[in-house]
Amino acid sequence: GENVEQHPSTLSVQEGDSAVIKCTYSDSASNYFPWYKQELGKRPQLIIDIRSNVGEKKDQRIAVTLNKTAKHFSLHITETQPEDSAVYFCAANVGGGGADGLTFGKGTHLIIQP
Amino acid sequence: DVKVTQSSRYLVKRTGEKVFLECVQDMDHENMFWYRQDPGLGLRLIYFSYDVKMKEKGDIPEGYSVSREKKERFSLILESASTNQTSMYLCASSSGTVYEKLFFGSGTQLSVL
Repeated sequence: GENVEQHPSTLSVQEGDSAVIKCTYSDSASNYFPWYKQELGKRPQLIIDIRSNVGEKKDQRIAVTLNKTAKHFSLHITETQPEDSAVYFCAANVGGGGADGLTFGKGTHLIIQP
Repeated sequence: DVKVTQSSRYLVKRTGEKVFLECVQDMDHENMFWYRQDPGLGLRLIYFSYDVKMKEKGDIPEGYSVSREKKERFSLILESASTNQTSMYLCASSSGTVYEKLFFGSGTQLSVL
């Protein structure tokens, strides 16, 4: 099955700096890569996703890049703010399509230092 | 807005008990999922269903079963609860293909003593 590795497990950055979280995946058939944010005590929520037919996608301060050849994708957050503090999960679809579920990385705890 | 409701926020059970975790969604989604969340291990897929009475094993199905008798309801069953099943359980739903986002419930923190 799909294996998704996520690094780092904890990331501490100064407010206003950028943060980058990286993920690798194993299944070359995977073609959908979402990112979920989970604030303390709350449910995970989708913040951005990318499909394999594009290399980069931006939404205001967040962006995701995808390198299909190397099987890795990254989340970039610029101008970090206190409300960005959360656990972030990357994911990849199993088998490249259908409703077979997502395999998630183990999560990155992002801490924004004031 | 999509609502995914899990019946209990906290649950305490004893080893060997049969445990039912219920999940209901109100958006007529085809797909429903059960994940468990453990610190340092992320979200791991237990079972999923893409239609009524259909079920598929995820990555960690051992010790669990599921039931989907109605489209809006997906139940996770622990036949004989064990202490290593103490965890946060998250239900999720989505429509159509896997390219649609998952809507998660607020979770059930299960403690097995």
